[in-house]
Amino acid sequence: LAKTTQPISMDSYEGQEVNITCSHNNIATNDYITWYQQFPSQGPRFIIQGYKTKVTNEVASLFIPADRKSSTLSLPRVSLSDTAVYYCLVTIYNQGGKLIFGQGTELSVKP
Amino acid sequence: DTAVSQTPKYLVTQMGNDKSIKCEQNLGHDTMYWYKQDSKKFLKIMFSYNNKELIINETVPNRFSPKSPDKAHLNLHINSLELGDSAVYFCASSHSTGLGELFFGEGSRLTVL
Repeated sequence: LAKTTQPISMDSYEGQEVNITCSHNNIATNDYITWYQQFPSQGPRFIIQGYKTKVTNEVASLFIPADRKSSTLSLPRVSLSDTAVYYCLVTIYNQGGKLIFGQGTELSVKP
Repeated sequence: DTAVSQTPKYLVTQMGNDKSIKCEQNLGHDTMYWYKQDSKKFLKIMFSYNNKELIINETVPNRFSPKSPDKAHLNLHINSLELGDSAVYFCASSHSTGLGELFFGEGSRLTVL
């Protein structure tokens, strides 16, 4: 299963755009890229999933270059409530529930 | 209504005891999971059930036994608790075993003394 690498922590200020990059060099053809968010004392929450190019929803955008060896989660205009741990995962097409969580990126948003 | 609910939220017990954590989902999903999050925040899948049938068992000690009486419930029973079992256990559900969103519960923090 493809391993993911992402920064351990990031700091930002309210109103800024935050980009968290994840590398997954040995991603396979059938793998998708998925991001989850986890607040303290809560379970992870699905943010976005994509295969290639760009995916956007009401919460975030996901940019995936053509070689798919990395991906970038973009959070527009973050607020204090976006302080959380963000996990980048590679998901196998027919094993969607078998999520392999890495260390995650601890995002701290300051006033 | 909570989509995925777990009980108890906190559990403190002595080594050697047997304990259970219950999970229920009201989303009508076919697949349910148990994940374990250790002190370093790493989340690891333990089990997965699809329509009451075990489909993933990730080399978990035999002391851990999941039970799914119906597709809306997946309980976790742990025998002979050890110190290393202290962790937060998350239940989750999804529509199917393929791609898509997993819905997690709020977790059950188990502390073994």
